[in-house]
Amino acid sequence: DAGVIQSPRHEVTEMGQEVTLRCKPISGHDYLFWYRQTMMRGLELLIYFNNNVPIDDSGMPEDRFSAKMPNASFSTLKIQPSEPRDSAVYFCASDLGNGVGELFFGEGSRLTVL
Amino acid sequence: GQQLNQSPQSMFIQEGEDVSMNCTSSSIFNTWLWYKQDPGEGPVLLIALYKAGELTSNGRLTAQFGITRKDSFLNISASIPSDVGIYFCAGRGFGNEKLTFGTGTRLTIIP
Repeated sequence: DAGVIQSPRHEVTEMGQEVTLRCKPISGHDYLFWYRQTMMRGLELLIYFNNNVPIDDSGMPEDRFSAKMPNASFSTLKIQPSEPRDSAVYFCASDLGNGVGELFFGEGSRLTVL
Repeated sequence: GQQLNQSPQSMFIQEGEDVSMNCTSSSIFNTWLWYKQDPGEGPVLLIALYKAGELTSNGRLTAQFGITRKDSFLNISASIPSDVGIYFCAGRGFGNEKLTFGTGTRLTIIP
């Protein structure tokens, strides 16, 4: 079975541009999480969904960030407009929701905003 | 919010040595997990702990859930080159699906 699939793996863009990161969770997993990883702040939870519904978006840094999950097999994280401080690796992870607590992470999307 | 402090931040050891790292929290957790991240990849679960005082092993890895529910440690015995990476603890509170991750311990093995 395929794991969590993220795209793009790498994105370099200029300040002010819109960035869209995509995620396909593992089929059958009820939870989807978006994390951001930087050297300074480590792994930060941005938002998570349960059955496609956003449950907690308190980690979203500001209004420039938005996330959607239109169906069980797809989610997007959008940054508009992007800023250099948004440069980070963005991870998507999914969880079966069986109480075990194991998150399966994608390989991440490395974003560089110039 | 909840914070997890991991120590040490980095370790430089020789192959064959044992490794010990720990994680402390300002809050109580009901689940502790340890993840490993290889370069260019996402974290992968190593061990999960669900009960205070629990000691669990997975091959050369041993982890314990602290009795106060505010700490956990991970030991790696007889380290090998593929143990290199960043190790993260993560905690989950009662009735809460989200994980809070520790600051990470970067393990380097000196040839």
